[in-house]
Amino acid sequence: EDQVTQSPEALRLQEGESSSLNCSYTVSGLRGLFWYRQDPGKGPEFLFTLYSAGEEKEKERLKATLTKKESFLHITAPKPEDSATYLCAPRTDKLIFGTGTRLQVFP
Amino acid sequence: DAGVIQSPRHEVTEMGQEVTLRCKPISGHDYLFWYRQTMMRGLELLIYFNNNVPIDDSGMPEDRFSAKMPNASFSTLKIQPSEPRDSAVYFCAQPAEQGNTGELFFGEGSRLTVL
Repeated sequence: EDQVTQSPEALRLQEGESSSLNCSYTVSGLRGLFWYRQDPGKGPEFLFTLYSAGEEKEKERLKATLTKKESFLHITAPKPEDSATYLCAPRTDKLIFGTGTRLQVFP
Repeated sequence: DAGVIQSPRHEVTEMGQEVTLRCKPISGHDYLFWYRQTMMRGLELLIYFNNNVPIDDSGMPEDRFSAKMPNASFSTLKIQPSEPRDSAVYFCAQPAEQGNTGELFFGEGSRLTVL
């Protein structure tokens, strides 16, 4: 059975305090790993796609990396506006979303 | 291009009532997805369409749920009769570009509360 686990469930950071979010997955026939950001009361918003182990993608303070069983979302020197829930989703014939990491960044 | 538009944004109803959620997708895109999000189970795929045809409805929880896409500009998700455990946020989503079913553009959701 396909499974996705994100950790931690919640993370509180001081502004400028770097950290990483983890996405562990067990799926058959992986066709990419996708990261989304979701703000309260909104739909998820696409961030990154990773297709092969060793691949990295960056966007502002965020960097996503991929291994054969995990993906990490590294947040460098976060700001309060980075506060959101971050969702990962490996794709087989469809996206399988994790339950997310709720990130709060305090000034 | 206003994006994926969902209505109603909020719905409060009583157990046993029929609920219809609506989605107006971006015209010309080939896939349409319906998701449900709860705190306990996260974001779950209910059903998806390709060129208005239902492809996979294995995520639809039971026969009380049905979805239609009569044309490329409109889709509905219906729950009849509704139950309190159906309370959730329901999202409609489309690929940001033709055929890319991983990069999705989501509507803002319909929050359903069944009392």
